[in-house]
Amino acid sequence: DVKVTQSSRYLVKRTGEKVFLECVQDMDHENMFWYRQDPGLGLRLIYFSYDVKMKEKGDIPEGYSVSREKKERFSLILESASTNQTSMYLCASSHKSRDRDEQFFGPGTRLTVL
Amino acid sequence: QKEVEQNSGPLSVPEGAIASLNCTYSDRVSQSFFWYRQYSGKSPELIMSIYSNGDKEDGRFTAQLNKASQYVSLLIRDSQPSDSATYLCAVNKAGGGNKLTFGTGTQLKVEL
Repeated sequence: DVKVTQSSRYLVKRTGEKVFLECVQDMDHENMFWYRQDPGLGLRLIYFSYDVKMKEKGDIPEGYSVSREKKERFSLILESASTNQTSMYLCASSHKSRDRDEQFFGPGTRLTVL
Repeated sequence: QKEVEQNSGPLSVPEGAIASLNCTYSDRVSQSFFWYRQYSGKSPELIMSIYSNGDKEDGRFTAQLNKASQYVSLLIRDSQPSDSATYLCAVNKAGGGNKLTFGTGTQLKVEL
C-alpha cells in the first residue's frame, strides 16, 4: 500500500514564525505535491516537484517555498507565517507515468497561525 | 467557467439506494479522471480512477466517463451511512504534467 506521512497532524504557530511541514512517501514516486484546503475553495496546489531538487510553482505559491533534497521527502516552508495561512495542508505523491498517475494523500496537517 | 464543476449538495439518499454523483470538466483534452472520498477532518482517499470512455466497476462503486459530453459520474450502489462524506472529482489534463484539478466536492448524506 502507498503510504504518505506528514510530520504533524496539528500545529499552532505565531505570526512571523518560520514553519516547516514535512512529507515522506515510501512508494518511490517521482511526483510530490503540496496543497492547501479551505472551506468553499477546495484543494489548491501550492507547489509540486517532478524530481529531486526540482520544484515548480502551483496556483498559490506566494508566501511559501519548498525543498526536495531526497526523492522520498518534500518539505513545505512558510517563511513568515501569517494568519491567512491558517489551513489544512495536504501532501500527495504519484508516479510519473500517464496511466498510473493517481495521487495519494497524506493525513494532512491542520495549521493554525495566531 | 470552472475547470471542474460539481454540485456542492448535500445530496441525501436513503440507506440502500443508489447515489449518483456528477462532475463536468471544461478541457476537452483531459486524459485521466479520479474520484476521491473525504470524510470530515480527514484527507482525500482515492476510490476510483478511469481513463477511457464507458463504465468501470469496483465493488459497489461504478465510474462512468463520457469524453464527448465532458462528463464523469460516480454511482454508489446499496448506499450505507458510512458512505456519508464529500466526494471530490479530479481531472488530469494532457500537457499539464501530472497535476490534478479538483472540483470543490459534493457532500453525500446517507440517511437511515
